[in-house]
This record gives sequence, C-alpha cells and structure tokens, in this order.
Amino acid sequence: NAGVTQTPKFRILKIGQSMTLQCTQDMNHNYMYWYRQDPGMGLKLIYYSVGAGITDKGEVPNGYNVSRSTTEDFPLRLELAAPSQTSVYFCASSTGQAYYGYTFGSGTRLTVV
Amino acid sequence: DAKTTQPNSMESNEEEPVHLPCNHSTISGTDYIHWYRQLPSQGPEYVIHGLTSNVNNRMASLAIAEDRKSSTLILHRATLRDAAVYYCILRDVGDNFNKFYFGSGTKLNVKP
Repeated sequence: NAGVTQTPKFRILKIGQSMTLQCTQDMNHNYMYWYRQDPGMGLKLIYYSVGAGITDKGEVPNGYNVSRSTTEDFPLRLELAAPSQTSVYFCASSTGQAYYGYTFGSGTRLTVV
Repeated sequence: DAKTTQPNSMESNEEEPVHLPCNHSTISGTDYIHWYRQLPSQGPEYVIHGLTSNVNNRMASLAIAEDRKSSTLILHRATLRDAAVYYCILRDVGDNFNKFYFGSGTKLNVKP
C-alpha cells in the first residue's frame, strides 16, 4: 500500500520554465490537496479537489494550475517559474469526512534559480 | 477559519512526558481538533484528533478543556524520534471540503 506518492523528489528550475509536480494516491480518496511550505513556516493550501473534474483555489493559488481527471491523480502545474515558488510542495489526500485526517506524500523540493 | 495559537518551541528530556498546549478560543461547536507532526524533511503525519472528550491512541493522548477553548497533546515518554514540529488544527465539520489550515506549529526539541 503506497499511500500518496509524489514525483519528483527534487527539482531545479530556471526562471520562466514550466513543470508538473505529480501526485498519485491508491486509497480511493475523493479529496486531494496541494500545499507549499516555505523554510521555517507552516503549510499553505494552494489548490484542492473533491473529486474528478472538481477543483478549487486555496490560500495561495497564483502561479499554479491543477487538473483532476481521475480519482488517483492530482498534478500541480507551474507555468512560468519564479524564485518566489522555491518551496517544498506536499500533496495530501483524505476521505473528506470530518473526523478523518490527511495522508501526506513525502514532498517535492523545488528550487527556482 | 478558526485559528489556533501554539508556542513556537518547547524542549523536553528523553523519556519524560511532554505537554504541548494549543489555544483555540474561537472554536465552534462543530470543530474537530486535529494534531499532526512533521519530522525533519518529511511530510506531516497524523497524531490524534478529538471533538469533546479526551482521546488516547498508541502515539499520544489529547486532553480537551471543558470549554474546548484549549487542548493539550501529551506524549507520555518522549523519545528522540519525537523531535518534530507539532501542528494543532481545527477542522470544521461544516466545511464540506475538509480543508486544513496549518499555523506555524510548535517545534519540539528532545534532549538525550
């Protein structure tokens, strides 16, 4: 049982480049989330999805896009990378029930130079 | 979103109990209290959660004040592996999207 899998683990991008951070879960969770964590800070919600075809913005969505074509996958797209997007990105999933928590992936460390 | 207040850092000796406080004075009656921890270079992991009554599991205990305006995560015997950032988060059962908002948490340092 893999849980939530994120790829890649590390990536260096040049300013203006684009990339997609991959997130896959095998728990049949309808709810999925993307967070970013800057050094020494807590996690900030970027985007979330409550099922295939349904996504919405979180606290810090600017500069990012998401799609959800299947229950398992929730990729995060950076179109024009900027140094301010240097961060660690975490994907999480949940059943969506109030008493149920999140399962997090191990993160993607992104550096934009 | 209801907010929580936690100390920035705490220190404990190995094999001693640790009490991590969290204030949530604006909590509503439908907010669950969740605790997560983040070990160095890892994603957050679930620790415990509760609504009104105290809760115990294999990792920790959660003591919730009678007025629910504060709670305490209790690690009964801290180990070096418990050194992490601990987050106290409120989850509104009325929020259909189950969103969690993380604060900056409490960094726990465990001394040998």
